[in-house]
Amino acid sequence: AQTVTQSQPEMSVQEAETVTLSCTYDTSESDYYLFWYKQPPSRQMILVIRQEAYKQQNATENRFSVNFQKAAKSFSLKISDSQLGDAAMYFCAYRTADFGNEKLTFGTGTRLTIIP
Amino acid sequence: GAVVSQHPSRVICKSGTSVKIECRSLDFQATTMFWYRQFPKQSLMLMATSNEGSKATYEQGVEKDKFLINHASLTLSTLTVTSAHPEDSSFYICSVSGLAKNIQYFGAGTRLSVL
Repeated sequence: AQTVTQSQPEMSVQEAETVTLSCTYDTSESDYYLFWYKQPPSRQMILVIRQEAYKQQNATENRFSVNFQKAAKSFSLKISDSQLGDAAMYFCAYRTADFGNEKLTFGTGTRLTIIP
Repeated sequence: GAVVSQHPSRVICKSGTSVKIECRSLDFQATTMFWYRQFPKQSLMLMATSNEGSKATYEQGVEKDKFLINHASLTLSTLTVTSAHPEDSSFYICSVSGLAKNIQYFGAGTRLSVL
């Protein structure tokens, strides 16, 4: 079974600075998808960014980018120019690419605090 | 992305009663929906996969007779917590697979408190 590990229960960053959240995973599969979801105090889960394992290029969405290291099974999230609205729980998630199996496996989350 | 509506957002009930939570996909037909449970300060744990027109697939350790799932249409799945007890108090979240099948979109969640 796949596992997802987030080793940083809490992180903080000064507003406008850059922060990196770490995520590692364990799988024997070669094709899969990785995601970062954000859960603000409202508890609504919001997709931040996704990465297909077969793509070598790191995904980028505005201020959010990932560092995907397939051999190391590492998938970190970098948030640039941090804003107060970025404060939330961040969950890393894994999904197999197998057709018909759409289950997500989540890490334990990292609580990000933005310091004004 | 997909718009997912979950209702109610908050429910308080007495021990022994049953509670129904609805999850609606508002802007597309969802053949598959998912139900998660989240304890305070913890991650999301998948409870079951809801398939339209067929029985739900439950994760190991989840009591199917206690957590009844019905996916009667392509836009609606319901989770019924039967004979709720205080230990069932939790945050329940549904999600749907988006048009791009490798993305899940989430409802806003339901906080269940059983007295």
